[in-house]
Amino acid sequence: NAGVTQTPKFQVLKTGQSMTLQCAQDMNHEYMSWYRQDPGMGLRLIHYSVGAGITDQGEVPNGYNVSRSTTEDFPLRLLLAAPSQTSVYFCASRLRSENTEAFFGQGTRLTVV
Amino acid sequence: GNSVTQMEGPVTLSEEAFLTINCTYTATGYPSLFWYVQYPGEGLQLLLKATKADDKGSNKGFEATYRKETTSFHLEKGSVQVSDSAVYFCALTGQGGKLIFGQGTELSVKP
Repeated sequence: NAGVTQTPKFQVLKTGQSMTLQCAQDMNHEYMSWYRQDPGMGLRLIHYSVGAGITDQGEVPNGYNVSRSTTEDFPLRLLLAAPSQTSVYFCASRLRSENTEAFFGQGTRLTVV
Repeated sequence: GNSVTQMEGPVTLSEEAFLTINCTYTATGYPSLFWYVQYPGEGLQLLLKATKADDKGSNKGFEATYRKETTSFHLEKGSVQVSDSAVYFCALTGQGGKLIFGQGTELSVKP
């Protein structure tokens, strides 16, 4: 059972480059979300989706785009990478009910130089 | 809006010591409350949860009670082990289903 799969695990970008962080889940979860983790800041919500075709902004959406064309996939796009986007990114999924467990990927460590 | 505040770390304890990590929240309505744990180099995983007032969540010797009157969900363990060294996150889901985290508390247990 794969759960939540994120790729790549590590990435170095130059300022101004673009890239897509991939996230896929095989649990048929409606709810998917992206977080960034920075020292002393906990996990901050970037974007989330409550189902295919529906996305919304979280706490820190600027500089990131998302789409949800299928239930399984929820990619995160950085269009013009900036050093401030250096972080560890986590994708999570869960059933839509508010009291269910969220399952997390292993994370992507991104460095923008 | 909804928010979670945790006691700051890092927390360093000796093996078999008692652990408390404080967590308080601000939320509209009746959120569900969670503790997640992150071991080094890994993603987060659920430790325990409580979905209504006075519920007690428990797992692996850890406990937390949903206290609506004090808006708190403190994590406790009677006797910590070296293997409990990790970062602990308090979280809530409220209206709209967004999962909101505290800033995390790093625990280091020394033999």
